[in-house]
Amino acid sequence: EVQLVESGGGLVQPGKSLRLSCVASGFSLISYRMNWVRQAPGKGLEWVASISDSGHTIYYADSVEGRFTISRDNAESSVYLLVSSLRDDDTALYYCARDTLRGGALDFWGQGTLVTVSS
Amino acid sequence: DIQMTQSPSTLSASVGDTVSLTCRASQSIGNWLAWYQQKPGKAPKLLIFEASTLQGRVPSRFSGSGSGTEFTLTITSLQPDDFAIYYCQQCYSTKWTFGQGTKVEI
Repeated sequence: EVQLVESGGGLVQPGKSLRLSCVASGFSLISYRMNWVRQAPGKGLEWVASISDSGHTIYYADSVEGRFTISRDNAESSVYLLVSSLRDDDTALYYCARDTLRGGALDFWGQGTLVTVSS
Repeated sequence: DIQMTQSPSTLSASVGDTVSLTCRASQSIGNWLAWYQQKPGKAPKLLIFEASTLQGRVPSRFSGSGSGTEFTLTITSLQPDDFAIYYCQQCYSTKWTFGQGTKVEI
């Protein structure tokens, strides 16, 4: 069974950092591009970042570029999101999601980890 | 960035109805569009990819159509389990974007 389990969220002050983790099981992580998507409380979905299967190709949403860093460790079946210089509007549930093999859609999602930015 | 606009924002319907949700892209995205369903407190679920391909185990009452800038998700014979929020998402550009969602309510 495919599973994605996120962790690392919490309450953090503006300007600080957190590292979010996503552990994958039930499939070979090395074969898939992976993504982070967030959802602010009561709001819609926002794609945040993607990383290719090899880790060599990375893209970010404009709203987080320069502040967030996506990475992966295929040997550990894990994907990470370092969220830095946090702002109030980064408060959201952060989902880890797997791209389909053909690319272009997110076929499995974790349950999310909540990041709350507040002083 | 490519902007995705969904309409309507809210759709009121009854069990058994056929409903159509619209998603418009700010520029042509070919058929690089996906649809998701999200229920309260749950992660989104992929319904359709490449505009019209049904994801495995998704009921056939869901169908997608369109290309270029205008897309439609149709739900035939709405079931109680279908009341949820539906999002479209473009994957044409390197920076993916979602629509703001359509809530299908009773």
